[in-house]
Amino acid sequence: AQKVTQAQTEISVVEKEDVTLDCVYETRDTTYYLFWYKQPPSGELVFLIRRNSFDEQNEISGRYSWNFQKSTSSFNFTITASQVVDSAVYFCALSEANSGYALNFGKGTSLLVTP
Amino acid sequence: DGGITQSPKYLFRKEGQNVTLSCEQNLNHDAMYWYRQDPGQGLRLIYYSQIVNDFQKGDIAEGYSVSREKKESFPLTVTSAQKNPTAFYLCASSLRVARNEQFFGPGTRLTVL
Repeated sequence: AQKVTQAQTEISVVEKEDVTLDCVYETRDTTYYLFWYKQPPSGELVFLIRRNSFDEQNEISGRYSWNFQKSTSSFNFTITASQVVDSAVYFCALSEANSGYALNFGKGTSLLVTP
Repeated sequence: DGGITQSPKYLFRKEGQNVTLSCEQNLNHDAMYWYRQDPGQGLRLIYYSQIVNDFQKGDIAEGYSVSREKKESFPLTVTSAQKNPTAFYLCASSLRVARNEQFFGPGTRLTVL
């Protein structure tokens, strides 16, 4: 069963628009971690954020912000004032104790930002 | 510079041949992981190792084998038993289980002809 669901396969926006990437997860563990990674065309995954299950504070880093809500099992990612360089595939991932904290990835959302 | 290296970047093999993908890290990380990425499928875990001389199967271990003889190295062998080996393979490492931010290598794109 898919533990991390990214319902949006592809999103296309015009530069300077705000965009939100959705992530819904499923776990029975009380201790777990959630991540977002960016994969540009070069292929290498770039770490963006980690959030543990006990910290529901939203986080902002420049144009990036994350909204973690345990009540809805969601960990959404918003890019404000998108730029062409934001074009990439974005992955949400879940890490649980029973799998040695290996990452369980969603299928990714491909974001295209056009000028 | 510290990081994870994977070699080669592109690899071509004939069907039926075993092939070994290299993964080396100099970050002094205990844990290492192998993932496979297919178009539209996201990344799936093949094997992971939390300590030297120990490793566990991930979700899609069939047709693959690994070894962890040194902390720095976690090579992956794609055997002839793997039915669809053509894919993008990514290696990752993390400090320990408790510090599980994973860093990824640049990947190896394997094509079986």
